[in-house]
Amino acid sequence: GAVVSQHPSRVICKSGTSVKIECRSLDFQATTMFWYRQFPKQSLMLMATSNEGSKATYEQGVEKDKFLINHASLTLSTLTVTSAHPEDSSFYICSARDILKRGGSGETQYFGPGTRLLVL
Amino acid sequence: AQKITQTQPGMFVQEKEAVTLDCTYDTSDQSYGLFWYKQPSSGEMIFLIYQGSYDEQNATEGRYSLNFQKARKSANLVISASQLGDSAMYFCAMRGGLNTGANSKLTFGKGITLSVRP
Repeated sequence: GAVVSQHPSRVICKSGTSVKIECRSLDFQATTMFWYRQFPKQSLMLMATSNEGSKATYEQGVEKDKFLINHASLTLSTLTVTSAHPEDSSFYICSARDILKRGGSGETQYFGPGTRLLVL
Repeated sequence: AQKITQTQPGMFVQEKEAVTLDCTYDTSDQSYGLFWYKQPSSGEMIFLIYQGSYDEQNATEGRYSLNFQKARKSANLVISASQLGDSAMYFCAMRGGLNTGANSKLTFGKGITLSVRP
């Protein structure tokens, strides 16, 4: 149980193009998903909290027009990197919490396998 | 504000031996949760173990145990009988009391690299 998938696992694109990354909870429902960015050998940086049916909450310093988040259903959130540039190259990873679990270990976030983005 | 500190730059352990990965935290919340995740070179974040601030006993999950010392604000991960597959980066994380419910943000430490020697 508690499996999260991400697609694609790896993407190479040209500067100026947009890239969409999907995050799915496969065996549970998630009203909240989280998007992180990670540089090599560094910790995870929370970019935004994705809320099903409402607008995402972005962390300070994260451009919401640059990183578009859509949480259209209880099992799918998408992150679109618009007009990608080489500095957007990074490892993007999402996580999700089970809507049916509350408190204690029920707050555990389960992570997807991540997406490596390379912008040329 | 919450803070997680992982200061060990890199750890080495011989296969089959036990190893302790340190984690200290700072929070003003009375209720909080502590998590450990493993990140192998493939990049996925694997949930290992959870400890609640009100849990009286230290959490255990197979070869993983959490040495929770509330007064010292430490939550060290102990891996027993290390295996080669344990080589990875390990992150300590905290969920604070004010961030429960839908927006349960996690605060992560910088991580520790563990290398298991055959």
